Amino acid sequence: QSALTQPASVSGSPGQSITFSCTGTSSDVESYNVVSWYQQHPGKAPKLIIYEVSKRPSGVSNRFSGSKSGNTASLTISGLQAEDEAVYYCCSYAGSNTWVFGGGTKLTVL
Amino acid sequence: QVQLVQSGAEVKKPGASVKVSCKASGYTFTGYYMHWVRQAPGQGLEWMGWINPNSGGTNCSQKFQVRVTMTRDTSISTVYMELRRLRSDDTAMYYCARDSAFSMVRGDMGTWGQGTVVTVSS
Repeated sequence: QSALTQPASVSGSPGQSITFSCTGTSSDVESYNVVSWYQQHPGKAPKLIIYEVSKRPSGVSNRFSGSKSGNTASLTISGLQAEDEAVYYCCSYAGSNTWVFGGGTKLTVL
Repeated sequence: QVQLVQSGAEVKKPGASVKVSCKASGYTFTGYYMHWVRQAPGQGLEWMGWINPNSGGTNCSQKFQVRVTMTRDTSISTVYMELRRLRSDDTAMYYCARDSAFSMVRGDMGTWGQGTVVTVSS
């Protein structure tokens, strides 16, 4: 499996909304509504923030939302805060009980 | 609370094997699949495979099928990941991560271990 495609970096100002993209193929993102998103701060383990495309785990802020169209999944953060600065990874089911991650997008809060 | 505690850092020579452990607590060990994910220095996350602690069944990324073995010991609520024939590009942080779904593998990894650094160097 090839890694899902994510832009290397994005930036935004506090209070803005920002959207991350995650592009896959017909073998993963397009075929399954099993996309999750993870937030990773430096030196920390990843944290699950979205699963099954748009569901939020208990305790995750409703500023985080997810969606999917065709072979591209998206994560939107509204009301950007300084603490949101991190790397964000998407992950998709890729068939045959396997999963694949994206390369990650580094978010800089200006 | 749900917790995963991994074994300590390892330094290995090329060609050797490493076995990383992940001890679970705070939940029914056999009820949740466990994934293994690695992260090379400065790089992204890479899914390696999962184990069903109930049955012992496993599935791996094609990339690791030949070199990785995942096992579990239900008596001590611990899963293991052994990587053989180590190369320098296996140098990475290795994480265990519990699937959030009960009794099935859904791929959302809601609880992570603290990570185990494996360094491969001659």
